[in-house]
Amino acid sequence: GQQVMQIPQYQHVQEGEDFTTYCNSSTTLSNIQWYKQRPGGHPVFLIQLVKSGEVKKQKRLTFQFGEAKKNSSLHITATQTTDVGTYFCAGISGTASKLTFGTGTRLQVTL
Amino acid sequence: DAGVIQSPRHEVTEMGQEVTLRCKPISGHDYLFWYRQTMMRGLELLIYFNNNVPIDDSGMPEDRFSAKMPNASFSTLKIQPSEPRDSAVYFCASSLSSGPYNEQFFGPGTRLTVL
Repeated sequence: GQQVMQIPQYQHVQEGEDFTTYCNSSTTLSNIQWYKQRPGGHPVFLIQLVKSGEVKKQKRLTFQFGEAKKNSSLHITATQTTDVGTYFCAGISGTASKLTFGTGTRLQVTL
Repeated sequence: DAGVIQSPRHEVTEMGQEVTLRCKPISGHDYLFWYRQTMMRGLELLIYFNNNVPIDDSGMPEDRFSAKMPNASFSTLKIQPSEPRDSAVYFCASSLSSGPYNEQFFGPGTRLTVL
């Protein structure tokens, strides 16, 4: 079945440093969504990418969908303590009709 | 807008007992999803409904798990009998009628502990 892996599993940064998480699918994706889950909270939708090579920005966050539509990345510039949480990618492969969530990257930011 | 509502928020039960988790999706959303989250297995889709009809239950672990959606505003996930390995956070999510390509709105989750 479809598998979606994320690296790293965990990253600890100092506030102000940049952060990137990478998402890799075993199959070609129709779309990729990104969610953020704060500690003790629930996943909250951030963005969706659909087109090959697509890049979208939300303030300090930059999302990219790979040309082959099998990978994606989330880059945070100048992290803040409010960025703490686990970031999940989730995608739908061509034949499936449900989201498969990635393994997640837990981000810790300290002053 | 109240968002997705789940109850109870926490449930502690003993092995062998029946557990029922409840979910009220956002009004107007036609898709409802049940997920389970654990440290070991991450976020897993158990089952999802479209217009109250179960579409894909391939993620349901075994026959001890069952889910129903009797109407557009209510769904249940039942575990009978419960086992310690069922301990997890169970999330319900809903999305608009254009399907799983739409963003999913998650409820606060039910933290289940089976002793």
